[in-house]
Amino acid sequence: KQEVTQIPAALSVPEGENLVLNCSFTDSAIYNLQWFRQDPGKGLTSLLLIQSSQREQTSGRLNASLDKSSGRSTLYIAASQPGDSATYLCAVHRAGKSTFGDGTTLTVKP
Amino acid sequence: KAGVTQTPRYLIKTRGQQVTLSCSPISGHRSVSWYQQTPGQGLQFLFEYFSETQRNKGNFPGRFSGRQFSNSRSEMNVSTLELGDSALYLCASSLDNRSNQPQHFGDGTRLSIL
Repeated sequence: KQEVTQIPAALSVPEGENLVLNCSFTDSAIYNLQWFRQDPGKGLTSLLLIQSSQREQTSGRLNASLDKSSGRSTLYIAASQPGDSATYLCAVHRAGKSTFGDGTTLTVKP
Repeated sequence: KAGVTQTPRYLIKTRGQQVTLSCSPISGHRSVSWYQQTPGQGLQFLFEYFSETQRNKGNFPGRFSGRQFSNSRSEMNVSTLELGDSALYLCASSLDNRSNQPQHFGDGTRLSIL
């Protein structure tokens, strides 16, 4: 059974700091890994999708990496801003089903 | 292009009742998945539909069911509601069920059981 763990559960940083969020999964037989952002009371916004054959994806200040053999992914956020405050979730996808971690709640203080 | 639309946004029901939630995927998307999000269990997969057929199912009791119509819109039904069914129900759509397609989520339906 696939299990996804995200560390840390919560993170508070001052504005402008670079940070890394971690995601690990137990079964490396995945099709892809997707990072999402969730604001309170809202649905999920897709940030980055990494296919199983890829090592990383970048979008603006975000960079996600994937090491399938070790079952790990990281989301790097550069020059954090208060607007980045949200819960960040990673999900691994296989055979029509996504398994989510519990998320990292990020607070960026002005 | 309109995103994934879920209706209603909020719903209050009592124990024993049944409820139907609706999801309209992004135009052209044929795969729809449903998830339940609770503070204690996080996000859990309910089921996935593609071309009107249920392709995958999570570990939920038979009280949870769904269907997909020919226009790819999907409905989820929960019968004999229990207090523990209170949750945010999220729907996601993707172009098809191939691996390289990202999932796009709606804002969810928040269901409260009294």
